[in-house]
Amino acid sequence: AAGVIQSPRHLIKEKRETATLKCYPIPRHDTVYWYQQGPGQDPQFLISFYEKMQSDKGSIPDRFSAQQFSDYHSELNMSSLELGDSALYFCASSPRDSHEQYFGPGTRLTVT
Amino acid sequence: QKEVEQNSGPLSVPEGAIASLNCTYSDRGSQSFFWYRQYSGKSPELIMSIYSNGDKEDGRFTAQLNKASQYVSLLIRDSQPSDSATYLCAVPDGGATNKLIFGTGTLLAVQP
Repeated sequence: AAGVIQSPRHLIKEKRETATLKCYPIPRHDTVYWYQQGPGQDPQFLISFYEKMQSDKGSIPDRFSAQQFSDYHSELNMSSLELGDSALYFCASSPRDSHEQYFGPGTRLTVT
Repeated sequence: QKEVEQNSGPLSVPEGAIASLNCTYSDRGSQSFFWYRQYSGKSPELIMSIYSNGDKEDGRFTAQLNKASQYVSLLIRDSQPSDSATYLCAVPDGGATNKLIFGTGTLLAVQP
């Protein structure tokens, strides 16, 4: 079965640089979620999209923005990177009328 | 702020034993409950969903829900070393998109 695809899988950036993370949800899933997971932490919700519109926003810094495109893929844009942004970033998708979320493999971002 | 609580562990069980993982939640109105398994450095994998009081079995896994006590548990029968992972309890927050609120996870170690 098709799964959530994320790219890149690993990303190394320097402080103050920008990064773009991509997510391709499972086909026919209409909601996309972004989560951040620091070392030893549980995943923390950042932002979500339903039918290409932002539907909810969590503890996402103003330096971060995201959007969902017409083909339902989503991108998380991160600017002015800080050391504390180093984390695993997961995208998850959910089908219509279900609360079940299926996670992609994640992008490991390291800021040096 | 809705809360989901788990014992962080580690929970150590011998191979072949039953592992019992517990989770409590604060919102009495919660209707959906999920268990995710997460191997170190990997993404959360949905292993069980439960919506009604009682037990739900899937292979070696049994989820148990008691809404009156606001308690959900996961039993793993015939535990295998490959079951060693962090198990995350998650509850949708009931908001616009039902983003997941995760517990801090219980680290399970199955000893050969």
